Amino acid sequence: AQSVTQPDIHITVSEGASLELRCNYSYGATPYLFWYVQSPGQGLQLLLKYFSGDTLVQGIKGFEAEFKRSQSSFNLRKPSVHWSDAAEYFCAVGSYNTDKLIFGTGTRLQVFP
Amino acid sequence: EPEVTQTPSHQVTQMGQEVILRCVPISNHLYFYWYRQILGQKVEFLVSFYNNEISEKSEIFDDQFSVERPDGSNFTLKIRSTKLEDSAMYFCASSVRQGGLGFEQYFGPGTRLTVT
Repeated sequence: AQSVTQPDIHITVSEGASLELRCNYSYGATPYLFWYVQSPGQGLQLLLKYFSGDTLVQGIKGFEAEFKRSQSSFNLRKPSVHWSDAAEYFCAVGSYNTDKLIFGTGTRLQVFP
Repeated sequence: EPEVTQTPSHQVTQMGQEVILRCVPISNHLYFYWYRQILGQKVEFLVSFYNNEISEKSEIFDDQFSVERPDGSNFTLKIRSTKLEDSAMYFCASSVRQGGLGFEQYFGPGTRLTVT
């Protein structure tokens, strides 16, 4: 079955520390992969996307993610977290043969000063 | 920067009533979507719409739901007879195309539907 797993429900980091949010997927077709961020009371903002090619993709707000096919993973990273990064982060997967995105359960990021 | 807008931001309705949720997708986008997120659960796909017809729908999207693009800008989701379990945040999204570059979906801020 197609699914996305975000193993970490809640992560707390100090401002300035590095961050890695994990995402694993199970998908039969070639995946398209996305990370979205949701701030309280806001919609889902697209951080970055992977369709093909270079497996390290850069996104907005200083985020990057690496696609590792052998591990079925698409982890999100940021070298230095800012207090404004506190939000919920969702990994999602889609493909060329479907309209829908399948979302993970999300990881809530808390940032301490 | 263009964005997807949704109205209302919060809708309270009584069980059995009809509701219409409205969305204005990004103007040059051709594919439109509705998703929902029940509190504490995953974001779930409901339906996609292209060229004035449903392109794909999930098992959640039963006969109680319908979508329409009544004019050149609005995209609506109608729930004919709401149930308590329809309480959720409903997100509209749009994309330039389906598949490949341009498939990335841009989401609106959501409408919180509360059924009492």
